[in-house]
Amino acid sequence: DTGVSQNPRHKITKRGQNVTFRCDPISEHNRLYWYRQTLGQGPEFLTYFQNEAQLEKSRLLSDRFSAERPKGSFSTLEIQRTEQGDSAMYLCASSLAPPDYGYTFGSGTRLTVV
Amino acid sequence: SQQGEEDPQALSIQEGENATMNCSYKTSINNLQWYRQNSGRGLVHLILIRSNEREKHSGRLRVTLDTSKKSSSLLITASRAADTASYFCATDGGANSKLTFGKGITLSVRP
Repeated sequence: DTGVSQNPRHKITKRGQNVTFRCDPISEHNRLYWYRQTLGQGPEFLTYFQNEAQLEKSRLLSDRFSAERPKGSFSTLEIQRTEQGDSAMYLCASSLAPPDYGYTFGSGTRLTVV
Repeated sequence: SQQGEEDPQALSIQEGENATMNCSYKTSINNLQWYRQNSGRGLVHLILIRSNEREKHSGRLRVTLDTSKKSSSLLITASRAADTASYFCATDGGANSKLTFGKGITLSVRP
């Protein structure tokens, strides 16, 4: 297993376009998390899944954001009608549950909305 | 919202010196974790300390936890230039919770 994989690494999109990011977690990890990080800040929680169930969503996750984890394996995060304020690094992490374990993070997808 | 607050915000030391970073938090926790992030990369888990533990070691890392003061410290001994990175503390509220990160500390180790 090569760890948590995120694709693409970079995405530049025009305002108003839709984008989708993919995360492939460590195969034996049943929890998957999405975070967003802007420059000089710590990661901010967006949502997390246990297997295929989405257990919590942050208030940061407006109705333009949607995440899925079909069959409890990979996950996708879609942003519709992107805005310049969506520009950030989107980080995916996975872990075992219950989480007295550390998270394994992917390298992130850097989104730039122009 | 970010629960942990790290102190100082930035730290610059000479190679070979020790680096001490502090973290304070607001609510009760199940465990506290420290992560490192190199520029433009994902976070790497360093160490986890449970709420019933007071001190933990891992290689050159030593972490302490004082739940009465809601604070933790991370000590990196004999620092190296490769330790240059941002360091984050993160708190975990329990089984159905998720990690909440602070804003991070930027550590620069001069060769």
